[in-house]
Amino acid sequence: DAQMTQSPSSLSASVGDRITITCRASQSISSYLNWYQQKPGKAPKLLIYATSSLHSGVPSRFSGSGSGTDFTLTISSLQPEDFATYYCQQSYSIPPMWTFGQGTKVEI
Amino acid sequence: EVQLVETGGDLIQPGGALRLSCAASGITVSSSYMSWVRQAPGKGLEWVSVIYTGGSTYYAASVKGRFTISRDNSKNTLYLQMNSLRAEDTAVYYCARVICCDNWFDPWGQGTLVTVSS
Repeated sequence: DAQMTQSPSSLSASVGDRITITCRASQSISSYLNWYQQKPGKAPKLLIYATSSLHSGVPSRFSGSGSGTDFTLTISSLQPEDFATYYCQQSYSIPPMWTFGQGTKVEI
Repeated sequence: EVQLVETGGDLIQPGGALRLSCAASGITVSSSYMSWVRQAPGKGLEWVSVIYTGGSTYYAASVKGRFTISRDNSKNTLYLQMNSLRAEDTAVYYCARVICCDNWFDPWGQGTLVTVSS
């Protein structure tokens, strides 16, 4: 099963900053990589699926890229509502043994 | 609008059993892949189980043999039967639709808290 490692675990940033979060898989997962945003006390929300496809309603400042084992989530200009924890998730495993990264907390 | 509402979370003693429910609206549970994902307090997300439209079920190694996922088509509801509960099963449990066939989770319910403690 592919294990996912995110970096950094946390980062401090300011409104307007460009930030990048990295997710690395322990084996190739092709483009089966998804990103979620979670705010405190709330359920996760889908941001990006299949590496780079933006979910409906997600602002265009979010983007994803990568393939194989290395993936990135980029926020081009951080907004106040973007301070949250972000998780990557691989959906490659068959039979399903889907795994998440440990999360990246984006703080002011 | 798709809505998933989990219920059934509770404080339960180690070794006990509990059944969680996830009532769906806006989708037909029997026509969707449906999953449970959990989150221990202050920790990350862990996939728990999935049920496919054909009825096939799969589990994380940490719960296999103790948890059972099922659905009631007449009630449009997903379930998670949890037996032999352990302290490490303490978590918020979310149900989520799995988008076939690239398998991302959307949407998610609001979650229900299961606490396993004596």
